Amino acid sequence: DTAVSQTPKYLVTQMGNDKSIKCEQNLGHDTMYWYKQDSKKFLKIMFSYNNKELIINETVPNRFSPKSPDKAHLNLHINSLELGDSAVYFCASSDSSGTYNEQFFGPGTRLTVL
Amino acid sequence: AQSVTQLDSQVPVFEEAPVELRCNYSSSVSVYLFWYVQYPNQGLQLLLKYLSGSTLVKGINGFEAEFNKSQTSFHLRKPSVHISDTAEYFCAVRGSGSARQLTFGSGTQLTVLP
Repeated sequence: DTAVSQTPKYLVTQMGNDKSIKCEQNLGHDTMYWYKQDSKKFLKIMFSYNNKELIINETVPNRFSPKSPDKAHLNLHINSLELGDSAVYFCASSDSSGTYNEQFFGPGTRLTVL
Repeated sequence: AQSVTQLDSQVPVFEEAPVELRCNYSSSVSVYLFWYVQYPNQGLQLLLKYLSGSTLVKGINGFEAEFNKSQTSFHLRKPSVHISDTAEYFCAVRGSGSARQLTFGSGTQLTVLP
């Protein structure tokens, strides 16, 4: 069973389009995250939700809008895609009741904007 | 706020040789430290973590790391590497307070040569 899954794995689209990436975890965790990994493999937090509430919102363009319909899902919607949005996006989840909240990562979604 | 510095962006090493991947952090509070591994085109997998207690931490695949508070370092070591260890390695830090997001270093590409 896949713990943290993301769809799609690859996404190729034109500038200006709107796209969504979905994330689901079956670990029973209450906190989920979105990270962006750029072409130099640098990983940076974008958003975090705890029990469907936004708790971290880093400096991210408002074209990016996360949505958490329930604790097991955190989707990322991107409007008016730009070339600079090309990256690998990772979803992660953790249990906030634990001591150190180990994060489990999904396999990533490689977004290419043409 | 925390930050992580991985001093080496690329480390080539011959098979069965020892390796050390360096990581230094800065933080004004107590931290939890992590090493993650990313194999090509895959997500991140936790190698090991330091929370408290013994400063020498053992992880999966024969890796270990030593927490050195005075030098604010958390270097990763393996006494004998295999071809299959070729991957990107990320050091990460999380504050022990309520902020749960991970701050990652820029990564070190370990390439094991035959």
